[in-house]
Amino acid sequence: DVKVTQSSRYLVKRTGEKVFLECVQDMDHENMFWYRQDPGLGLRLIYFSYDVKMKEKGDIPEGYSVSREKKERFSLILESASTNQTSMYLCASSRFSIGAETYEQYFGPGTRLTVT
Amino acid sequence: EDQVTQSPEALRLQEGESSSLNCSYTVSGLRGLFWYRQDPGKGPEFLFTLYSAGEEKEKERLKATLTKKESFLHITAPKPEDSATYLCAVRGQGAQKLVFGQGTRLTINP
Repeated sequence: DVKVTQSSRYLVKRTGEKVFLECVQDMDHENMFWYRQDPGLGLRLIYFSYDVKMKEKGDIPEGYSVSREKKERFSLILESASTNQTSMYLCASSRFSIGAETYEQYFGPGTRLTVT
Repeated sequence: EDQVTQSPEALRLQEGESSSLNCSYTVSGLRGLFWYRQDPGKGPEFLFTLYSAGEEKEKERLKATLTKKESFLHITAPKPEDSATYLCAVRGQGAQKLVFGQGTRLTINP
């Protein structure tokens, strides 16, 4: 079974703190993704990566950065947390799709981040 | 721009009452349409991938179908444990990322 794990299920941070969210997958997937999910707004893509040290901006990258130093690990960084970054953060991974091939994303359990 | 719209936003059914959820999409060169189930406070769980119009896939009480413009998730004789939010997503030509709909929150009353 594919397994995607996230470092914390719940996290409470103060405004201005630097926050690290870690994600690890054990299926040797090339692609990894970070989303945030808010009521009424659905899943929104923050950043994704299709290879080590590669990153692509998603739909809402402002206020976030990412790091992928190893294939299995993808980190989301909030440089200076703000209250509007309170949300559920979801990590996902998938194989790299080429041409007509397409592969599903597998999600981690999520991290509920509260910024006070 | 690729778009996915799901309807209804919420659906409440009695146990055993069959119904369908809708996912309408516009995408440049569909490479896959995905259905996920998400329980409260958890990450989405993959259900199906559909690739081309006319394709159908089944899993227990769920059947997903695909046309050129929309997909349906049919739920037959649902049980309370089928209560969840169901998400639809598409992958377009040349893309690695998925575009998700807002989801349908399904509640099955015993």
